[in-house]
Amino acid sequence: AQSVTQLDSQVPVFEEAPVELRCNYSSSVSVYLFWYVQYPNQGLQLLLKYLSGSTLVESINGFEAEFNKSQTSFHLRKPSVHISDTAEYFCAVSGTYNTDKLIFGTGTRLQVFP
Amino acid sequence: EPEVTQTPSHQVTQMGQEVILRCVPISNHLYFYWYRQILGQKVEFLVSFYNNEISEKSEIFDDQFSVERPDGSNFTLKIRSTKLEDSAMYFCASRPLAGEETQYFGPGTRLLVL
Repeated sequence: AQSVTQLDSQVPVFEEAPVELRCNYSSSVSVYLFWYVQYPNQGLQLLLKYLSGSTLVESINGFEAEFNKSQTSFHLRKPSVHISDTAEYFCAVSGTYNTDKLIFGTGTRLQVFP
Repeated sequence: EPEVTQTPSHQVTQMGQEVILRCVPISNHLYFYWYRQILGQKVEFLVSFYNNEISEKSEIFDDQFSVERPDGSNFTLKIRSTKLEDSAMYFCASRPLAGEETQYFGPGTRLLVL
């Protein structure tokens, strides 16, 4: 079985500051890792994912995450946040079998202040 | 860009009533999922569906729940006798056969049981 821990329930930050949202996972099998973002009153949107290969993955809007197998982590970072990044961010893990479900963390609320 | 759609966006029902939540997955996708998110909590897996049968279900998905793909395009979640604790946002997701591990989520149906 897999599990995901997001230690920070809320992260307040000023605009243009860097941010890191932490995610740790536990699994006895190989996993895929995902970050989803949920803007207010909207559904879940994929931000980025790690399947294999390069451990550093990037999104089109400046976020990046690094898979660290030894530390079982997949932290999300952005060097300079915008007001529009205010949202709930969910880290998720799945096994590598086709029908495997996503196991989500409890989410981190990123609040960007002007 | 194709997307997963869900109807209705909101539903209010009385305890004990049956509800059917509808989803139209992306047309060439073959794996389907339902998740729910109780207000303020994390997203939880309910059920996965492939080849016209349930692949996996969580302990939440008891006898009051059922899923169906009646016509090759819709994917429905039925709750036979709703309880207060069924109040949540319900998300449908789908993914293609292989080579793409991302689950694509719909915008959700907010269910309120009174």
